[in-house]
Amino acid sequence: ESVLTQSPGTLSLSPGERATLSCRASLSISSSYLAWYQQKPGQAPRLLIYGASRRATGIPDRFSGSASGTDFTLTISRLEPEDFAVYYCQQYGISPHTFGPGTKVDIK
Amino acid sequence: EVQLVQSGAEVKKPGEALKISCKGSGYSFTTYWIAWVRQMPGKGLEWMGIIYLGDSDTRYSPSFQGQVTISGDKSISTAYLQWSSLKASDSAMYYCARQHSGYDHWGQGTLVTVSS
Repeated sequence: ESVLTQSPGTLSLSPGERATLSCRASLSISSSYLAWYQQKPGQAPRLLIYGASRRATGIPDRFSGSASGTDFTLTISRLEPEDFAVYYCQQYGISPHTFGPGTKVDIK
Repeated sequence: EVQLVQSGAEVKKPGEALKISCKGSGYSFTTYWIAWVRQMPGKGLEWMGIIYLGDSDTRYSPSFQGQVTISGDKSISTAYLQWSSLKASDSAMYYCARQHSGYDHWGQGTLVTVSS
């Protein structure tokens, strides 16, 4: 089972700033099967990025993803007020399709 | 429009059985996998398992194997998650989600409360 570790646990930033979220896999996983989700309180998660770097339908281009070996990064280029939320990475290539513990992006 | 609609909130007592549902529409239900994800209060997402409705192929997380049963009825485009004997620790929000380039569509969630 590939364990995903996310850092930092919490990221305190101001609107307009750049956010960089990390996700590290304990085992090698294909970048083709790494996704990022956003979840706001009281809502279901929303797919942002799949295949490590492909934006899902309707996702603004301020969201981008990248991969380097077992390290994956989600970048939000300029935070909008609606971007303050919890972000999860997930690998969906090998069962079980594990999630990381999440990174909370809150307002500084 | 792709939609996954889950059954409503449940309040149960420990030891009771429960089956919750996830009905798909707007796409060919039998050609995608449907996963179940648990979220305990204030906690993160936990992958429970997944089913392919075309042939009912099912996979479970080791953490949930033997604790729940995932099934489906392709004739009514519905996936199910069931417990034979609930525990207080099963109290959580449960989501279903379609796997397609990640999990691209999610149900609204079913809140399960288990309390004596």
